[in-house]
Amino acid sequence: AQTVTQSQPEMSVQEAETVTLSCTYDTSENNYYLFWYKQPPSRQMILVIRQEAYKQQNATENRFSVNFQKAAKSFSLKISDSQLGDTAMYFCAFMGSGSGYALNFGKGTSLLVTP
Amino acid sequence: DSGVTQTPKHLITATGQRVTLRCSPRSGDLSVYWYQQSLDQGLQFLIQYYNGEERAKGNILERFSAQQFPDLHSELNLSSLELGDSALYFCASSARAYNSPLHFGNGTRLTVT
Repeated sequence: AQTVTQSQPEMSVQEAETVTLSCTYDTSENNYYLFWYKQPPSRQMILVIRQEAYKQQNATENRFSVNFQKAAKSFSLKISDSQLGDTAMYFCAFMGSGSGYALNFGKGTSLLVTP
Repeated sequence: DSGVTQTPKHLITATGQRVTLRCSPRSGDLSVYWYQQSLDQGLQFLIQYYNGEERAKGNILERFSAQQFPDLHSELNLSSLELGDSALYFCASSARAYNSPLHFGNGTRLTVT
């Protein structure tokens, strides 16, 4: 079974600064998908960004970008110009054939953005 | 708004009881997933349906069951409830059976007393 590891339970960043959240995963598959989801205090799960493993180019969505290192099985999320509204729990997730294409989530990183 | 609707938002019930959680997927989505989120276990995949058929099973207890109806809405039935079943239950939908992102509803908060 695929394992997703987020080694940073909590992080803090000042407004307007940049922060990087780490994620590593374990799989023997070659084709798969990776996602970052955000869960603010409202508890809603919001898709932040996705990456297809067959694409070498790192995905970018406005202030959010990823550093995808396939050989290292690493998928970090960079948040630029952090805003107070970015305060949330961030989950890294893996989707592949081994899990029936269901999302397999990491334990999450709690990010606090301070003024 | 993700377009995925879950009812009810909150549910409080007693041990041993049975409850049904309901989910309406986004318009056009054929695949429905159920997840359980608890403090100690994180987000656990329970089960997936695609166009009415069970497609994948995760860590779903035998006391739990689900189905997807012809109109594509889904229900998750939880029976013989225990205190440990208290959690946030999410439904998510996606356009295809695989390789498409999941869009989550706002969840049903279940409290078993």
